[in-house]
Amino acid sequence: DTEVTQTPKHLVMGMTNKKSLKCEQHMGHRAMYWYKQKAKKPPELMFVYSYEKLSINESVPSRFSPECPNSSLLNLHLHALQPEDSALYLCASSQAPQGGQVSYEQYFGPGTRLTVT
Amino acid sequence: GEDVEQSLFLSVREGDSSVINCTYTDSSSTYLYWYKQEPGAGLQLLTYIFSNMDMKQDQRLTVLLNKKDKHLSLRIADTQTGDSAIYFCAGNFGNEKLTFGTGTRLTIIP
Repeated sequence: DTEVTQTPKHLVMGMTNKKSLKCEQHMGHRAMYWYKQKAKKPPELMFVYSYEKLSINESVPSRFSPECPNSSLLNLHLHALQPEDSALYLCASSQAPQGGQVSYEQYFGPGTRLTVT
Repeated sequence: GEDVEQSLFLSVREGDSSVINCTYTDSSSTYLYWYKQEPGAGLQLLTYIFSNMDMKQDQRLTVLLNKKDKHLSLRIADTQTGDSAIYFCAGNFGNEKLTFGTGTRLTIIP
């Protein structure tokens, strides 16, 4: 099973709202990722969690707040977003770096299409 | 930083072979990947190749890696309408971050 699930599929929110995106995997992966993808562009890395600890933050504005409550779940809390934050938000997971190998293949979820009005 | 380039568009007749190319500047890659993205969907991992290999075949897919020229290609044999999508090459260039190419939109001509 190489499935990563994300909810909701679509989300429309106002600039004053607070909402959360959720991601789940049951592959035993200990690295999880959030990406942002604008139309016709490649995904851009936002955050990496490794063994439930934040290991990479790509200088993402604080209105995006990630959380990894356990090894299977990854959340992205959203508050006071701007219209330019409208995008497809993708979650991915992989084995975590170990034994000198720094990277493994990443498996992506279907994404949440976010529209900020 | 790493720079990964792809042609933006490719059109192929149904039944022909498609060849999608990717070039990169950083030679410290460990794994190189090909992902497929259909409209409105996430990224599907198609195949990957370790940097000490020069070819990998998986059913209709053939990956060729020329490390000297820093060139990666994906060949899809007997292209079908279901192969219409955007194809991204990606690599880990010495760290755990995945750097994506610009993406190639593959269009199938009936």
